[in-house]
Amino acid sequence: GAVVSQHPSWVICKSGTSVKIECRSLDFQATTMFWYRQFPKQSLMLMATSNEGSKATYEQGVEKDKFLINHASLTLSTLTVTSAHPEDSSFYICSARAGTRVEKLFFGSGTQLSVL
Amino acid sequence: AQTVTQSQPEMSVQEAETVTLSCTYDTSESDYYLFWYKQPPSRQMILVIRQEAYKQQNATENRFSVNFQKAAKSFSLKISDSQLGDAAMYFCAYHFQGGSEKLVFGKGTKLTVNP
Repeated sequence: GAVVSQHPSWVICKSGTSVKIECRSLDFQATTMFWYRQFPKQSLMLMATSNEGSKATYEQGVEKDKFLINHASLTLSTLTVTSAHPEDSSFYICSARAGTRVEKLFFGSGTQLSVL
Repeated sequence: AQTVTQSQPEMSVQEAETVTLSCTYDTSESDYYLFWYKQPPSRQMILVIRQEAYKQQNATENRFSVNFQKAAKSFSLKISDSQLGDAAMYFCAYHFQGGSEKLVFGKGTKLTVNP
């Protein structure tokens, strides 16, 4: 089956630093990738949708300058949390879609970010 | 706006028994998809089952089946012969293919399986 690799699986950083999270589709081309945020014991909240070669579409309330998304190729999207603060600590999950149909949607294994 | 409601924050079931998780949704569309995802302690999202709204027949995947009531906008998940490995968070999700590309998730139900 299709595999989406997300790296790192966990990261601890100091407040004020930036952290980059990678999401790779290993065996398919993903024209669209999605980034979610999940707080403890809560549901997934979509942060942004990224399409290869174009700017990401952010959900209402998500700071574009805080959460930089780059989808430079058909197999890689990155989320950079800039000037991270403790309130940015969360579980971040990416998903990638092969083609245009929602049934071809696959999730990465997630990244736990802890900002000290 | 589409919304997905899971009214049971937690459920428990005895091993080998059957449990039903509830999900209702709100939409004005007629063609859409509904999903149940499982999130075990590893936090990897795993697709359990999918239902296309235009299909009247309820989807089944081995021990997992759904009761899709389109008019009532209800989409429950039945797990038969529950196993310890079924313990997880279960999320119901909605997707309208012709509109926004996103999945709309419910708040989840934590399922505990007792030996």
